[in-house]
Amino acid sequence: KQEVTQIPAALSVPEGENLVLNCSFTDSAIYNLQWFRQDPGKGLTSLLLIQSSQREQTSGRLNASLDKSSGRSTLYIAASQPGDSATYLCAVKDTDKLIFGTGTRLQVFP
Amino acid sequence: DAGVIQSPRHEVTEMGQEVTLRCKPISGHNSLFWYRQTMMRGLELLIYFNNNVPIDDSGMPEDRFSAKMPNASFSTLKIQPSEPRDSAVYFCASWYNEKLFFGSGTQLSVL
Repeated sequence: KQEVTQIPAALSVPEGENLVLNCSFTDSAIYNLQWFRQDPGKGLTSLLLIQSSQREQTSGRLNASLDKSSGRSTLYIAASQPGDSATYLCAVKDTDKLIFGTGTRLQVFP
Repeated sequence: DAGVIQSPRHEVTEMGQEVTLRCKPISGHNSLFWYRQTMMRGLELLIYFNNNVPIDDSGMPEDRFSAKMPNASFSTLKIQPSEPRDSAVYFCASWYNEKLFFGSGTQLSVL
């Protein structure tokens, strides 16, 4: 059974720092991996999608990498801003379903 | 497009009452998912539909939960009877081009 783990569970950093969020999964037979952002009281918003054949995807200050063989993905946020404060979740596509990690709660303070 | 629309946004009910949550997916998206989110268990998949047909309901906790999708633009999740342990945020999401689009959720409190 696929299990998705995210470390750390919470992170607090000063504005301007570059930071890395980690996601690991137990079964490397995935179709793709997605990173989401969730603001308090809101639904999830898709940030980046990496296909199983890809190594990384970039969108603005965000860069996500995927190492299928080791069962790991990282989300790199450059020059963090207070507006980046949210919970970040990764999800792997397992056949027709997405299996979610428990998320990393990020706080960026001025 | 207004995105995935869920109603109600908040629901407070008493134990034993029937609860119905509603979802309107984005037009043209042919897969729909119901998730439940709690602090303890995170985001759990309850059931999903492809082209209005239920594909996998193995995540539905028990017989008190049921879901329907009578047409491509509407789905319901029903809990009868509700229990305090059902308190959670329930999300509906529709799927297109490998991406999942979430509604804002229904915050359910069962007293």
